[in-house]
Amino acid sequence: EVQLVESGGGLVQPGGSLRLSCAASGFTFSNYEMNWVRQAPGKGLEWVSYIGSGGFTTYYADSVKGRFTISRDNANDSLYLHMNSLRAEDTAVYYCARGADHSSSFDYWGQGTLVTVSS
Amino acid sequence: DIQMTQSPSTLSASVGDRVTITCRASQSISSWLAWYQQKPGKAPKLLIYKASSLERGVPSRFSGSGSGTEFTLTISSLQPDDFATYYCQQYNSYSRTFGQGTKVEIK
Repeated sequence: EVQLVESGGGLVQPGGSLRLSCAASGFTFSNYEMNWVRQAPGKGLEWVSYIGSGGFTTYYADSVKGRFTISRDNANDSLYLHMNSLRAEDTAVYYCARGADHSSSFDYWGQGTLVTVSS
Repeated sequence: DIQMTQSPSTLSASVGDRVTITCRASQSISSWLAWYQQKPGKAPKLLIYKASSLERGVPSRFSGSGSGTEFTLTISSLQPDDFATYYCQQYNSYSRTFGQGTKVEIK
């Protein structure tokens, strides 16, 4: 069974940093593209970042470019999102999502981890 | 960046109704479009990919159509479990943009 489990969320002050993790199981992690998607309270979905299966290709939404870094550890089936210079508008539930093998849509999602940026 | 616009934002319908949601892209995305369903407090669920392909395990009352810039999601006969928010998403460009969502409410 495919499982994605996020962790690392919490309360952080504006300007602070946080690292989110996503532990994958039930599939060959190194074969799949991965993404981070976030959802602010009461708002819609916002794609945040993408990483290719080998970890060499990365993309970011303009809203986080230069502040967030996506990475992966294929040996340990883990995905990461390093978040710096956090702002109040980064407050959201952050989901990791797997790129489907039939397309680049997102076929499996984690349960999400809440990041709150507030003083 | 490619912008995705859904309509309507909210839709009130009854069980058994045929429901259609529209998604428009700001430029052509060929058929690189997905639809997701999200219920409160839950992660989104993939329904449709490549504009019209039904994800494994999704009921056949869901269907998708369109190409280029205009797409639709149709629920042929709305069931109680279908009351949720639906999102379209393009994956033609590196920036995998979502639409703003359509909430399907009970009439």
